Amino acid sequence: QEKVQQSPESLIVPEGAMVSLNCSFSDSASQSIWWYQQHPGKGPKALISIFSNGNKKEGRLTVYLNRASLHVSLHIKDSQPSDSAVYLCAVSMATGGNNKLTFGQGTVLSVIP
Amino acid sequence: DPKIIQKPKYLVAVTGSEKILICEQYLGHNAMYWYRQSAKKPLEFMFSYSYQKLMDNQTASSRFQPQSSKKNHLDLQITALKPDDSATYFCASSQDGTGGCERLFFGHGTKLSVL
Repeated sequence: QEKVQQSPESLIVPEGAMVSLNCSFSDSASQSIWWYQQHPGKGPKALISIFSNGNKKEGRLTVYLNRASLHVSLHIKDSQPSDSAVYLCAVSMATGGNNKLTFGQGTVLSVIP
Repeated sequence: DPKIIQKPKYLVAVTGSEKILICEQYLGHNAMYWYRQSAKKPLEFMFSYSYQKLMDNQTASSRFQPQSSKKNHLDLQITALKPDDSATYFCASSQDGTGGCERLFFGHGTKLSVL
C-alpha cells in the first residue's frame, strides 16, 4: 500500500517569500506525482505534476522529483496571500493503468500580507 | 461556473438511514471517481469508473454502492449509515481513467454528518 508523507504540517510565511513543501512516498513504481491546492470548503485543484526525475517549472511553481530517494518538493516563488491553502501531494499508482491517486495529509500554508 | 456539480452540499442523517449523494460532470470526461475526506485523515480513494464500468473499488464495506445511470453521472448510495461515515465526499472526473497520469477535476464535495 502506497504511503505519502508531507512536511511540514503547517507553514506561515510573509508575502513575497519563497515557500518549500516536501513529500515522500513509499513505492518506486509510482507514476506521476501531483500537487493539488485546496481552499476551505472547496475541492482540490490540480496545480502541477511531474513524472521524470529532475525539475519542472510552471509560472511561480517549480517541482523537483528524486525517484532514488522517493522524494518530491514543491517551491512557490513570490508567495501571495491568495496562495494560502492546504497543499496536497498525490501519487498516481501504476496498477493496470487505473488512475488512482494516494494523497498525503497536506501542508497548511498561510501567507501573511 | 462549476463543471462538476455535487448535491447536496450539506447532509445530516441519522444512524441506520440511507442516503444518496449526487454527482454530475459537464467536462465531457469518460472517467469518474469518489473520494472521501474524514477529519484528520488524508483524502482517500473509494471508487473509479471508466466508460460507466467499475474499474477499482477500495471500499471495504458493501454499504457504499456507486450508481452510474448516465455517462456523466456517478451517484453514491450509502446504506445503514454509521457515525464513522461522517466525512466530506468528493466526486472527481478525468478524461478516460487510463494511463495513470491524468489530471483529476474535483467537485466541491458533500459534507455528510451522521448523528
